[in-house]
Parts: sequence; C-alpha cells; structure tokens
Amino acid sequence: SQKIEQNSEALNIQEGKTATLTCNYTNYSPAYLQWYRQDPGRGPVFLLLIRENEKEKRKERLKVTFDTTLKQSLFHITASQPADSATYLCALYPYLIQGAQKLVFGQGTRLTINP
Amino acid sequence: ETGVTQTPRHLVMGMTNKKSLKCEQHLGHNAMYWYKQSAKKPLELMFVYSLEERVENNSVPSRFSPECPNSSHLFLHLHTLQPEDSALYLCASSQAMGNYGYTFGSGTRLTVV
Repeated sequence: SQKIEQNSEALNIQEGKTATLTCNYTNYSPAYLQWYRQDPGRGPVFLLLIRENEKEKRKERLKVTFDTTLKQSLFHITASQPADSATYLCALYPYLIQGAQKLVFGQGTRLTINP
Repeated sequence: ETGVTQTPRHLVMGMTNKKSLKCEQHLGHNAMYWYKQSAKKPLELMFVYSLEERVENNSVPSRFSPECPNSSHLFLHLHTLQPEDSALYLCASSQAMGNYGYTFGSGTRLTVV
C-alpha cells in the first residue's frame, strides 16, 4: 500500500542547532516533493519544492534533499530559532489531474526550538 | 493573509443543520481543493476542481457537497453531519505546474454537536 511517513510526531531542538526532519514514502513515484509549515489554527504555508531530478534545494536557512532511491526527503533548518517552532508537513505530488496538482500529505512533525 | 480567504473561521452546527463553507481566491489560480484535517491524522483530500470542473471526489460522503461557480470561489455545503465530521476544513488553490505549491486559507474549524 502507499504510505508517507514523517519520522517523528514531535522533535525538540536547542536554539542555534540544526533541526533535521525526515519524510519517507513507499509505493509512490512522485514527480516532486514539497514541504509546508503549519502554525496552530492556521493553514499550511508552502516553503520549498524539490523535483525528482534535483538532489538538493536551499532557501535561506532551509535545505531540502530528495533521494528517490532511498525514497526519502530530509528537511533541515540551520541556526534554528524559537520562531521556527511549528508543525512541518511533507507532501508528494504523484500526478496531475486535468490541470490540478494532487498532493498527498504526511502526518507532520511538530518541531519545538527551545531557547 | 495568504490570498485565499475562508469564511467562517469557526462554525458550530447541529446534526440536522445545513450550512456552507466559503472559499475565495484572487490569485489567478486555476485549481481549487478541499481538505479535511483531523487531530493526529494527515490532511485528507476531499475534492479537486480544475477550471471549475470537479476532477476528483475522494469517496466523500454525500452529506458534503462541493460547488465551484467560478474560478475564484469554492463552497462546501454541509447537511446532516455527524460528530466525527468535526475537524479543520482547509481550502487551497494552485496553478497546475510551476515552482509553487498550494496556497491554503486559514481554515474553518467545524464542530458538530
């Protein structure tokens, strides 16, 4: 069966350290993978997209890797800050439906950065 | 604001009520989506509209009825809901392709009593 798993439900990191979140998937061949940030009571906010032929993508303190052999993506936040505390979601794009992207989401990892 | 506006933000309804959730975007996106988010579960895709045509219905019970009158507006009509339908309902929009993902609204927190 198809599955997307984010490695842990919750992660606590000391301020200034690098936070690393993992997204594993099975029985998908996604064209690309996305990461979102969600704050309590709000909708997710798009952060980064990485395509199947890209190994790594960066945006400011964020870095995403995508290994289609391991079927895994890693999401890194360097020099983490308490303001980075949120739930982070990975999402796969298995296919396009008549002009719409069908995204399938993982269950999220709740990241807490301690001062 | 994200560019996708959902109203109302909170809704409490009885099991016999009929209500509607509204979503509006003026980002020029051509696809719109309804997702359900329950505690400790991944976002569940409910409906997908592309250019105002419904292109996916993910085995959603008929007590949920979507409507997309134009490319900027999406509704979710609710009737005779169950308590287990209580959740955060999220609307999103997107372009078909590109380097950008979905733009989500802030959601409607629905409680069925």
